[in-house]
Parts: sequence; structure tokens; C-alpha cells
Amino acid sequence: AQSVAQPEDQVNVAEGNPLTVKCTYSVSGNPYLFWYVQYPNRGLQFLLKYITGDNLVKGSYGFEAEFNKSQTSFHLKKPSALVSDSALYFCAVRDFHGGATNKLIFGTGTLLAVQP
Amino acid sequence: DAGVIQSPRHEVTEMGQEVTLRCKPISGHDYLFWYRQTMMRGLELLIYFNNNVPIDDSGMPEDRFSAKMPNASFSTLKIQPSEPRDSAVYFCASSSQGGGRGYNEQFFGPGTRLTVL
Repeated sequence: AQSVAQPEDQVNVAEGNPLTVKCTYSVSGNPYLFWYVQYPNRGLQFLLKYITGDNLVKGSYGFEAEFNKSQTSFHLKKPSALVSDSALYFCAVRDFHGGATNKLIFGTGTLLAVQP
Repeated sequence: DAGVIQSPRHEVTEMGQEVTLRCKPISGHDYLFWYRQTMMRGLELLIYFNNNVPIDDSGMPEDRFSAKMPNASFSTLKIQPSEPRDSAVYFCASSSQGGGRGYNEQFFGPGTRLTVL
């Protein structure tokens, strides 16, 4: 069965420092991977996706993610964190159970707290 | 584009009452998803539609929950009768069938915060 894991419930980082939010996946076949961000009292917003091609994917707000097939990881990164990046981040993988579907399987979320 | 529109944004009701949540997807999108988010269970997919047809409702918790999509621009999620444990934020999302590899990201609405007393 397809799944994603976000091993950290919370990540704390100082403003200006690089940040990493971790995600690992388990899929049969080629993974379609996504990152979403949720600000307080808002819906999820799409950040970036990996379907195929370059392992380094660039997205919105200066975020990027690196697809690593050997480690089955898709970590979200940003070179310099901003206080405004503080939010809940979700990793997701497309569900291929029973054939390709348009379902996404979401991780449990990682709360990013950026201290000024 | 106005994005995915959900109404109401907040709903407070008493146990046993019927609740109807509404969603208008992005024009041209042919997939519509209903999710529920709680602190305890995180984000759960309840049901999704393709071209107005329900494809997978395995996440619908009980017979008290039902969803319809009478046309491409409107969907409802109904809870009858409602219970306190149904209190959650309910999100609607839509996406389009992409070309090539055939998958595009989902766009989420702002959610409906439901409180059942």
C-alpha cells in the first residue's frame, strides 16, 4: 500500500537559517509526490510536486524539494527561513492502489516554527 | 479565478440536526474531493468524484454521511443526524485531469468549521 511518513511533528528553526522538513514514502511504481502548506484557519496550498525529471524541484515561496529514490525521501527545504514560513506542512503521494487514481495520501503533517 | 468556494465557513448546530456543506469547484476541474481534518485523526479523504460520479467513498465514516454532485459546479456533503464527534473542519478540493503523465495538483477551499453541540 502507498504511504508517506513525516517523522517530525514539529521543526524549530531560527529565522535566516536553512530549514528541512522530512518526508519518506512507500509506493509501488513511480511516485508522484507533493508538498502542501496550511496556514492557520486556511485550506491547504500547493507548494510543489515531483512527477518525473530533475530530482530537485523548485516551488512557491522559495521552497524546493529533493527527490531521492534510493532513500525513498522527498524532503522539503529552504535556504533561509522566514517567520512567515511558520505553518503546517504536509507531504503527499498519489495513490496507485488498484491502478492509478487521483487520490492523494497525506502525511500527518509537520508544524514548522520559525523563531525571530 | 475565485478558487474553490465553500459555504458556510462556520456552522454551529445541535446534535441530531441535519447539516449540509456546500462546495463550488474551480471551473473546468473534473475531480472533486471532500476531506475532514481533526487534531486526533489528521486529514482524511471522505469521498471523491470524477465528472460528477462518485469514484471512491470508502472514507465516508457512516451512513449518516452522504455526498452528491448534481453538476460540474456544485457538490454537497450532508450529515444527518449530526453528532458531536462530527465536529471538524471539512475541506473541498478540486483538480483537473492533466495531460502527459495525467495528474495535476489539488486546489483546496478555505474549509467549513463544523461544531456539533
